[in-house]
Amino acid sequence: EAGVVQSPRYKIIEKKQPVAFWCNPISGHNTLYWYLQNLGQGPELLIRYENEEAVDDSQLPKDRFSAERLKGVDSTLKIQPAELGDSAVYLCASPEDRGYNEQFFGPGTRLTVL
Amino acid sequence: EDQVTQSPEALRLQEGESSSLNCSYTVSGLRGLFWYRQDPGKGPEFLFTLYSAGEEKEKERLKATLTKKESFLHITAPKPEDSATYLCAVRESSGDKLTFGTGTRLAVRP
Repeated sequence: EAGVVQSPRYKIIEKKQPVAFWCNPISGHNTLYWYLQNLGQGPELLIRYENEEAVDDSQLPKDRFSAERLKGVDSTLKIQPAELGDSAVYLCASPEDRGYNEQFFGPGTRLTVL
Repeated sequence: EDQVTQSPEALRLQEGESSSLNCSYTVSGLRGLFWYRQDPGKGPEFLFTLYSAGEEKEKERLKATLTKKESFLHITAPKPEDSATYLCAVRESSGDKLTFGTGTRLAVRP
């Protein structure tokens, strides 16, 4: 069974440019999380989806970040415009079920903003 | 606000030298404490979930234990392939959010 797939793995952009990250969770997993991980830190939740619905986006900086999960499968996280401080690893995760605690993480997208 | 503190920040061991990593937490109603392993350039990999004080779980050279205020990850006779960052996270009873600690970077020398 394929795990959580993320792309691209690496992205380098100039500040003020837009950028988008894509996540395909494990088949059948209805819950999807986007996390931000700064160097030397643990992951921090940005947004949680239950199917198509964003049920917790309280940590998402909505002035520049947006996310969508059309049809309740793939998800896209966008930053526009990117700032230097956005350089980090963006992780996607999905548990088997909302009642299950084990979250499967993708490999992440490492963003560098110059 | 949930808080998770891991110590030490970094640990260097000789192969075969057993040790423990600590995760202390403050949460209003624990609904699970999680240990993950993270290798460079990869996402966290799930290791254990602990739910109540006194619970223990083992996997190969790793053993996780839980008290009301902290969790320990014991590593017995580590090997170089155990080198990684070990992350601890908690989920409180009122939500689904995981709060992570900053991790312990473990290096095991052959």
